[in-house]
Amino acid sequence: DTEVTQTPKHLVMGMTNKKSLKCEQHMGHRAMYWYKQKAKKPPELMFVYSYEKLSINESVPSRFSPECPNSSLLNLHLHALQPEDSALYLCASSDRLAGGFSSYNEQFFGPGTRLTVL
Amino acid sequence: AQTVTQSQPEMSVQEAETVTLSCTYDTSENNYYLFWYKQPPSRQMILVIRQEAYKQQNATENRFSVNFQKAAKSFSLKISDSQLGDTAMYFCAFLKSGGSNYKLTFGKGTLLTVNP
Repeated sequence: DTEVTQTPKHLVMGMTNKKSLKCEQHMGHRAMYWYKQKAKKPPELMFVYSYEKLSINESVPSRFSPECPNSSLLNLHLHALQPEDSALYLCASSDRLAGGFSSYNEQFFGPGTRLTVL
Repeated sequence: AQTVTQSQPEMSVQEAETVTLSCTYDTSENNYYLFWYKQPPSRQMILVIRQEAYKQQNATENRFSVNFQKAAKSFSLKISDSQLGDTAMYFCAFLKSGGSNYKLTFGKGTLLTVNP
């Protein structure tokens, strides 16, 4: 199973709402990622988890709060978002974070959650 | 820091023809990987092809091949016998080798349309 799943597919929320995005993989990967993608733009890295611990936070506003409850699940909790936060949120996973000289860790992407903030 | 440049925001090609998407990059690293990712409309991003910088031989995956010119820092993607399903946004990406090599540096993308 080389699949990363994300729910929900679409989400519409108001600026005062609290919602969560969910990502799941069953490939035994120990690194998981959240990206934000605006229309016709490349993905922008937000967070990286390695072995369920937050390794990288790319200076993301605190209204985005990631969580990794176990090695298969990754959540992104949303609170007090702004309309400019509307985007496609992609989850990805890879075997692990660190790689040697001649190795790399391919990132497998999920289909994304399309978020609209009103 | 690395930069990846895709100079063609949009391209179109007729079905069954060949098209080449360009990508240049700038880095001071000697060891790295280069990728082409495909993102069809409303579908998930998938890896099309990858190239290790230390390999001189150009990578090939079925109808997809690359022209990797390390000295020129160029990494173009050739799609042969284009199919309607090739319509997608294509992103060129760079990944440094070694250490915690997690950060993909993406180009801005090329929107390819295959016309019937």
